[in-house]
Amino acid sequence: AQSVSQHNHHVILSEAASLELGCNYSYGGTVNLFWYVQYPGQHLQLLLKYFSGDPLVKGIKGFEAEFIKSKFSFNLRKPSVQWSDTAEYFCAVIPRGGSWGKLQFGAGTQVVVTP
Amino acid sequence: GAGVSQSPSNKVTEKGKDVELRCDPISGHTALYWYRQSLGQGLEFLIYFQGNSAPDKSGLPSDRFSAERTGGSVSTLTIQRTQQEDSAVYLCASSRSVLDTQYFGPGTRLTVL
Repeated sequence: AQSVSQHNHHVILSEAASLELGCNYSYGGTVNLFWYVQYPGQHLQLLLKYFSGDPLVKGIKGFEAEFIKSKFSFNLRKPSVQWSDTAEYFCAVIPRGGSWGKLQFGAGTQVVVTP
Repeated sequence: GAGVSQSPSNKVTEKGKDVELRCDPISGHTALYWYRQSLGQGLEFLIYFQGNSAPDKSGLPSDRFSAERTGGSVSTLTIQRTQQEDSAVYLCASSRSVLDTQYFGPGTRLTVL
């Protein structure tokens, strides 16, 4: 079955540590890729997206992600996390053929940043 | 308004009752989506509307679920004869087109007793 996989369900790290969250998808063809974040008690917000062009995309709050087509991956990174980055992070995909509009989400990664 | 709004923010109902959840999309967005977020299932697509086209209902879990979008704007998700497994946060999103970024509302937390 076509899917979106996030490698870690829970990540705990200290402030100033580097963060990398893995995301792989199994859809063939062209896809639009997204990372959303859900801070405690808040709604889903867009961190960054990739539609085409430069495979290294920068988002809000110092986050970036790299699209590697050959690996069907869209990993999220941040060089130095802050306590305020504690949140749940979701990778999502819109396949361009046959599933218009349906965001397919990964299971999410709960990130806890300790002071 | 600046963002997607949903009402009510919380809804507690008894098993077997019908509920209606409302979504106001961002002005000018032609596409509107409903998702469900629950502990066991993560984020699941339910239905989406794009302009005047027939909605894509492929994610609706049963025929107890229905949705409509009036005048190309406000949408209502209706769940008939609610069951305990319907308890979840129901999220609405809108976008300028079906491939564009979807912006999410705060959700309605539904609890079926």
